[in-house]
Amino acid sequence: ETGVTQTPRHLVMGMTNKKSLKCEQHLGHNAMYWYKQSAKKPLELMFVYSLEERVENNSVPSRFSPECPNSSHLFLHLHTLQPEDSALYLCASSQDRYQPAGELFFGEGSRLTVL
Amino acid sequence: TQLLEQSPQFLSIQEGENLTVYCNSSSVFSSLQWYRQEPGEGPVLLVTVVTGGEVKKLKRLTFQFGDARKDSSLHITAAQPGDTGLYLCAGDEPPNNAGNMLTFGGGTRLMVKP
Repeated sequence: ETGVTQTPRHLVMGMTNKKSLKCEQHLGHNAMYWYKQSAKKPLELMFVYSLEERVENNSVPSRFSPECPNSSHLFLHLHTLQPEDSALYLCASSQDRYQPAGELFFGEGSRLTVL
Repeated sequence: TQLLEQSPQFLSIQEGENLTVYCNSSSVFSSLQWYRQEPGEGPVLLVTVVTGGEVKKLKRLTFQFGDARKDSSLHITAAQPGDTGLYLCAGDEPPNNAGNMLTFGGGTRLMVKP
């Protein structure tokens, strides 16, 4: 138990569907992140939120839309995805946005399959 | 973005064997972290090294940061099935508007057979 909870753990969707991934952290952290983990690729940073403000959008297609209503919750809204978007989506939090040698606390991930 | 290469990509060994995995870059990092990701879980931090030449031990795991802070190694003594997982190294990039950013390597997937 890392203090970061992601739902759903598994999601299968068609290319025309709209779905959302949810992340909640119980650590009192100020920064939250979305990462994409694909087979044979390093972890890719997608979005960074610090104190509910988006501070980084790592050239992510607009079919991914993040939302951070408060410092404990982070959503990733998905629409008109492509099969190549199938991956494990990991949420993480840290005390503050990246500090040297700062630790990231990851959730268990949401395994997304796009048909 | 600074590139971190991990080797080997895959490693399958018998319980009780020793192993070393590597994390290399042509760039200098201010610090480097090792995470372990078990099947069905997210990555969990094992150690952070910040000083060139630094060696840290965590039970049967020994981590070393290269003198030039461009590379790191993880040595496991007498591996156990519980060590099975994906080992990720991550280095601190220079700061930008969003603060320091972590670059992750591609990982070494370790399987320890009983």
